[in-house]
Amino acid sequence: QVQLVQSGAEVKKPGASVKVSCKASGYTFTSYYMHWVRQAPGQGLEWMGIINPSGGSTSYAQKFQGRVTMTRDTSTSTVYMELSSLRSEDTAVYYCARAFGPQLGYWGQGTLVTVSS
Amino acid sequence: DIQMTQSPSSLSASVGDRVTITCQASQDISNYLNWYQQKPGKAPKLLIYDASNLETGVPSRFSGSGSGTDFTFTISSLQPEDIATYYCQQYDNLLITFGQGTRLEIK
Repeated sequence: QVQLVQSGAEVKKPGASVKVSCKASGYTFTSYYMHWVRQAPGQGLEWMGIINPSGGSTSYAQKFQGRVTMTRDTSTSTVYMELSSLRSEDTAVYYCARAFGPQLGYWGQGTLVTVSS
Repeated sequence: DIQMTQSPSSLSASVGDRVTITCQASQDISNYLNWYQQKPGKAPKLLIYDASNLETGVPSRFSGSGSGTDFTFTISSLQPEDIATYYCQQYDNLLITFGQGTRLEIK
């Protein structure tokens, strides 16, 4: 069965970077794009970007351009999302979600990133 | 970027009621519209894809309709386990946008 297992919670200081991983299993890793979505406490869902695990190409939401980097490691079926220059407003749960065409049918369990001095 | 306007932001209804949520796109998105359910502390769950198709295993009381810019999500008979926040999501050439969400409560 399809599983997306994310790395554990992180606490970071303002200005630092965080790298969240999402390990996929149960399907052919390179056959499906992966999205990253975040959710601040009590807020809605916010799309951050997408990566093609096959070639590594990416597309980011304009809001995060220059601060986010999505990468993948095909040898371990893992995608990564790195967010730099963290500020308190980046405190959120970060999700990876596998795409099937336009829909996100499988989601990771979420990773809480807390930015605090 | 395509903007999604979802309404209402919150809704209180009784068990057995028919519940309707709407989502409007800022431009034509054909039928590239999905609906998700999110319960507290959990990841979102896909309910409806391509505006009107029920995801496998989702109860038939959930339905969706619409195309172009105007879309509707309906629960035909509200059940206690349907308490959650619901989001619409559009897809435009790899880029996606979510609606603001509708928090559904039991009256």
